[in-house]
Amino acid sequence: GENVEQHPSTLSVQEGDSAVIKCTYSDSASNYFPWYKQELGKRPQLIIDIRSNVGEKKDQRIAVTLNKTAKHFSLHITETQPEDSAVYFCAARISFGNEKLTFGTGTRLTIIP
Amino acid sequence: DVKVTQSSRYLVKRTGEKVFLECVQDMDHENMFWYRQDPGLGLRLIYFSYDVKMKEKGDIPEGYSVSREKKERFSLILESASTNQTSMYLCASSSSGISGNTIYFGEGSWLTVV
Repeated sequence: GENVEQHPSTLSVQEGDSAVIKCTYSDSASNYFPWYKQELGKRPQLIIDIRSNVGEKKDQRIAVTLNKTAKHFSLHITETQPEDSAVYFCAARISFGNEKLTFGTGTRLTIIP
Repeated sequence: DVKVTQSSRYLVKRTGEKVFLECVQDMDHENMFWYRQDPGLGLRLIYFSYDVKMKEKGDIPEGYSVSREKKERFSLILESASTNQTSMYLCASSSSGISGNTIYFGEGSWLTVV
């Protein structure tokens, strides 16, 4: 089955700096890659996603890039703010028409004021 | 807004007890999921369901079963709870689609088995 690896497991950045979280996946049939943010004590919520026919997607301070050849995708957060502190999960969907998502192990991002 | 409701937020159960975790969604979603969240291990899929009375094993189904008698409700059952099942359990739902759809999570159920 699909395997998703996520790095780093923890990340601390100064407020205003950029943060990058990287994921790799194993199954070349995966075609959908969402990112979820989980604040302390809350449910994971989708913040951005990308499909395999697109190389990059941006939404304000958040962007995701996808390299299908290398089978990796990354989350970029620019101009970080304290409210960006959370655990971030990447995920990959294993096959066309199958709704099952495989998640990475998560990255705890801490923004230092 | 999509609402996925897990009826029990915090439970403490004894080893060997039968445990039911209930989940209800109000968006007529076809797909429902149960994940387990543990530090350092991320979100691991226990079971999922594409339709009423249908279920499929996820990555860690051992020790669990599920029931989906109605489209909006998906139950996770621990037949005989053990201490290694102490964890946070997340229910989720999504609609079906050919290119991927957002999965919506519930608030989570913290289960402690003593």
